[in-house]
Amino acid sequence: GEDVEQSLFLSVREGDSSVINCTYTDSSSTYLYWYKQEPGAGLQLLTYIFSNMDMKQDQRLTVLLNKKDKHLSLRIADTQTGDSAIYFCAEREEDSSYKLIFGSGTRLLVRP
Amino acid sequence: DGGITQSPKYLFRKEGQNVTLSCEQNLNHDAMYWYRQDPGQGLRLIYYSQIVNDFQKGDIAEGYSVSREKKESFPLTVTSAQKNPTAFYLCASKKQGAGTGELFFGEGSRLTVL
Repeated sequence: GEDVEQSLFLSVREGDSSVINCTYTDSSSTYLYWYKQEPGAGLQLLTYIFSNMDMKQDQRLTVLLNKKDKHLSLRIADTQTGDSAIYFCAEREEDSSYKLIFGSGTRLLVRP
Repeated sequence: DGGITQSPKYLFRKEGQNVTLSCEQNLNHDAMYWYRQDPGQGLRLIYYSQIVNDFQKGDIAEGYSVSREKKESFPLTVTSAQKNPTAFYLCASKKQGAGTGELFFGEGSRLTVL
């Protein structure tokens, strides 16, 4: 079945760039997503990318998609302490349910 | 403002008791979802509903039940049959069909079994 994998933890210094990686299995997914979860809260959509794109940039966020390797990455430029959170990658099932399959999440810790 | 409201935010339950978690949305979304979150395991799908009076089991439906009598509401009951119910529960909704497929999430309900 479908599976989405992420590393569990990333620590960076404030002001550096963060890169969070994700691999997925469903090559038919037309949309891939990045969500952010702050402690004790729900998930908020950060950005998404359509499968026919290689890159999408939105202010400090850059998403790179390598469809051949089924690899997705999220780069956060000039990382701030407020970026400390859990980041989830998700792929969409392309059956009638259009369910999202989530990875286990990457906890980003930004050190002052 | 439009959004998804989950209640209660914190809930304590004794073993053997059923509890019901509320999820209400005013986004006019057709599809609603319940996810369970455990540390280091990400989100696992419990149940989902794409239309009123219809719902489907997700990956971990055992020990849970749902109803979808109204478009706005999708309550989740955690029954005594659920062996390890302590977790963070997240409700979400989205427009039906394709499109960008963005899920909108509530703030979650944390259930602790004593």
